[in-house]
Amino acid sequence: DAGITQSPRHKVTETGTPVTLRCHQTENHRYMYWYRQDPGHGLRLIHYSYGVKDTDKGEVSDGYSVSRSKTEDFLLTLESATSSQTSVYFCAISGPVGTGFYEQYFGPGTRLTVT
Amino acid sequence: KNEVEQSPQNLTAQEGEFITINCSYSVGISALHWLQQHPGGGIVSLFMLSSGKKKHGRLIATINIQEKHSSLHITASHPRDSAVYICAAHQGGKLIFGQGTELSVKP
Repeated sequence: DAGITQSPRHKVTETGTPVTLRCHQTENHRYMYWYRQDPGHGLRLIHYSYGVKDTDKGEVSDGYSVSRSKTEDFLLTLESATSSQTSVYFCAISGPVGTGFYEQYFGPGTRLTVT
Repeated sequence: KNEVEQSPQNLTAQEGEFITINCSYSVGISALHWLQQHPGGGIVSLFMLSSGKKKHGRLIATINIQEKHSSLHITASHPRDSAVYICAAHQGGKLIFGQGTELSVKP
């Protein structure tokens, strides 16, 4: 199994509070991703990183920011949480397998509830 | 229209049946992934395909690049195969996901 952890695993917070989720990898992979998973929508990309301090937006980035100050950590911040951000959040890392192909490995997920 | 479409969305099978889940995509891809997610569980990568066919135990995945279509087959299905199966198109360093197929295998 790829070394990828998420913290916290569960969190309940109130509307308007800031929340930071952490993804940590021990694989030294270049690419890291944050997804959210919601019933009826499947998995959707929030932000991703292609290197230290290199990040880009995904399809549902509004209300979220990210930072990657070192290879192993990718942080997702909800500046002011809203109920619509109640979801399960998955981090993933992507590393090369063979020539030109990248496998994705997913973290265990963080269940966030915004009340 | 979604760029990655899966069918069926839900599937119920009896133990031992042969199962097929289909995935069609409309974008150019470098690879196609099949993922598995058990209820309340994490996401596991089953296959990554760029051409042809791959087999792992009772699972077989095929891809037809010209037709932009992939299938996941499960032979001799078992209740422990009950899960959501997700196909994802790998494009430009990112994955584009299908909506998932929820499979339930009854004993």
